[in-house]
Amino acid sequence: LAKTTQPISMDSYEGQEVNITCSHNNIATNDYITWYQQFPSQGPRFIIQGYKTKVTNEVASLFIPADRKSSTLSLPRVSLSDTAVYYCLVGDMFSARQLTFGSGTQLTVLP
Amino acid sequence: GAVVSQHPSRVICKSGTSVKIECRSLDFQATTMFWYRQFPKQSLMLMATSNEGSKATYEQGVEKDKFLINHASLTLSTLTVTSAHPEDSSFYICSARDQMDRGNSPLHFGNGTRLTVT
Repeated sequence: LAKTTQPISMDSYEGQEVNITCSHNNIATNDYITWYQQFPSQGPRFIIQGYKTKVTNEVASLFIPADRKSSTLSLPRVSLSDTAVYYCLVGDMFSARQLTFGSGTQLTVLP
Repeated sequence: GAVVSQHPSRVICKSGTSVKIECRSLDFQATTMFWYRQFPKQSLMLMATSNEGSKATYEQGVEKDKFLINHASLTLSTLTVTSAHPEDSSFYICSARDQMDRGNSPLHFGNGTRLTVT
């Protein structure tokens, strides 16, 4: 299972764009990259998933370089309600392999 | 979208008693569900993989006789914490994936159960 490394914490201000990078040097060919958001006392909530290049949805963008050894979650114009822990997971979900949660990144959005 | 429901959301029990936590996939079927435990300010730790119709697979260090898992149907898995002790107090979360998905669809997580053992 690919191990991931993320910054422990990040601070930002309302309205700014936030980029959180995740390193996954031993990502396998069949692995996808998935980001989750977790608020205190809640289960993780799916944000975005990708395999290569760039993926965008209504809440975030995911940038994946050609070597796929890292990925960057981009949150445009964050608000106070985006304060949460963000987890990067790498794995082959099709085979239902267990995914290992890393330490996550505590994002704090300041007014 | 796919919804995973956990019940109860929080429970307080006395030391030595057993507590059952339910995890249901509401609008999809799941042959596999996962159970996690999360302590304050820490990440999720996988406890076991629950397989419909067969025995669960436990992670190293997780006592299978203490954390009983039953996956009797394609929409329900239960975790029973037997003879609970204060050190079992934690946040328990389940997740599941739609078995009909062909691609790499993400796992769907329940909202967790806060267990407090007094």
